[in-house]
Amino acid sequence: EVQILESGGRSLQPGGSLRLSCVASGFTFQNNAFSWVRQAPGKGLEWVSGTSGSGADTYYAESVKGRFTMSRDNSKSVLYLHMNSLRAEDTALYYCARSPGFYFDNRNPAHDHWGQGTLVSVFS
Amino acid sequence: QSVVSQPPSASGTPGQRVTMSCSGSRSNIENNFVYWYQQVPGTAPKLLIFKTNQRPSGVPDRFSGSKSGTSASLAISGLRSDDEADYYCAAWDDSLSGVVFGGGTRLTVL
Repeated sequence: EVQILESGGRSLQPGGSLRLSCVASGFTFQNNAFSWVRQAPGKGLEWVSGTSGSGADTYYAESVKGRFTMSRDNSKSVLYLHMNSLRAEDTALYYCARSPGFYFDNRNPAHDHWGQGTLVSVFS
Repeated sequence: QSVVSQPPSASGTPGQRVTMSCSGSRSNIENNFVYWYQQVPGTAPKLLIFKTNQRPSGVPDRFSGSKSGTSASLAISGLRSDDEADYYCAAWDDSLSGVVFGGGTRLTVL
């Protein structure tokens, strides 16, 4: 059974930094691309970042480019989202979502398994 | 404001067929596959349709997807009370090199 568990979310002030983690199990981790997708309170889904199975190719939404960095450690089946220069508008529930294939691009942008999310709250 | 737009709400009665639309552009919907997600409030999204019109195993054939040009549609037939949820379309955007989600449609079963 595929299981995905995010952690690391908390409350912090604008300008701060945070690292989210996502642990996955139940499949061969390095065979799958992953994304971070966020949802602000009462709002819709927003894709944040996606990476291939090897981590060699990573993409970012314009809203976080230059501030967020996505990485993965395939030896530990863990994904990370390093978040810097946080803003109030980054407040959201952050989901870790698996893609069904190795590549994350126009051939394979689907998300077939999701975690339950970890909450990041940025306020002064 | 998302580059892909969806009507904020839709409704239907049990047993009815409802459709919801998703409007984008050449760089996303027209040139790429469309994906649909169902999200019951308070829970994680669930993949409902992939590659425009394919259903993952376990998704009933009451759900169907289609596309024409820069617009896509999700149809639900035999509407049930537990179909009440938020529905999001998504696609790869060639200009942005990333995924774009529509703003979501909240479906109410009357």
